[in-house]
Amino acid sequence: AQTVTQSQPEMSVQEAETVTLSCTYDTSESDYYLFWYKQPPSRQMILVIRQEAYKQQNATENRFSVNFQKAAKSFSLKISDSQLGDAAMYFCAYRSSGGSNYKLTFGKGTLLTVNP
Amino acid sequence: DAGITQSPRHKVTETGTPVTLRCHQTENHRYMYWYRQDPGHGLRLIHYSYGVKDTDKGEVSDGYSVSRSKTEDFLLTLESATSSQTSVYFCAISSPPGNNLANYGYTFGSGTRLTVV
Repeated sequence: AQTVTQSQPEMSVQEAETVTLSCTYDTSESDYYLFWYKQPPSRQMILVIRQEAYKQQNATENRFSVNFQKAAKSFSLKISDSQLGDAAMYFCAYRSSGGSNYKLTFGKGTLLTVNP
Repeated sequence: DAGITQSPRHKVTETGTPVTLRCHQTENHRYMYWYRQDPGHGLRLIHYSYGVKDTDKGEVSDGYSVSRSKTEDFLLTLESATSSQTSVYFCAISSPPGNNLANYGYTFGSGTRLTVV
C-alpha cells in the first residue's frame, strides 16, 4: 500500500517570503499522480497543484510550484511571495494511475501560518 | 463545491444511536468516496463506491456501512455511534483520468462535522 509522509506538522512564514512544504511517499508503481490540497479554516478542500509522475517537468501554478524528485520519491511544494490568504492546512496526496479505483492517499497535513 | 453536496453540515448525536450522512452529486461521476478527517491523521478513507451497488472498504471501515442505490447518492451510516467517531466527514467524487486534467483529482463536498456525545 502506498504511504504519504509530511514531516512538518506546522510551518510559519513571513508575508511576501517563500516557504517550502515537504512530502515524501512510498510506492512500487511507476505511473501515478501527486497532488497538493489546501484546506483553509472554511474546511473546503481546494486543489492547489498536481503532478503526473511521467512528466519530468515540475508543475507550476502562479505562486505555487513543486519540486518533484521521482527517484527520491519526494514532492515538495514551494509557495512564493506568501500572502495572508495562504494560511491553511496543506495536504499532500497520492493517486495511482489505475487499478485502485482511483483512491487518494493523504499525508497528515502541514499547518501553515503566515505572519504579517 | 458546485456539483456535490453533503448533508447535514453539522450534527450532534448521542452514543449508541444510528446516524446517516448523505452525499449527493450532479456530475454523474462513477466514483464516490467517504473520508474522515481527524487532527494528526489527515484524511482517511472509510468506504468508496465504483458504481451503483458497488462498494468496498477503506482503511477505517469498522463501525460504518454505506449504500449507493443510484449514481447521484452515496450514504454513510454509523450503525451505533461512538465517541471515537466524532470527526469531520468528507465526501468526494472522481472520474477516471481522461482528456480533462481536472478529473485527475477529486472534487470534495463541504464536509459534515459530527459530534457524538
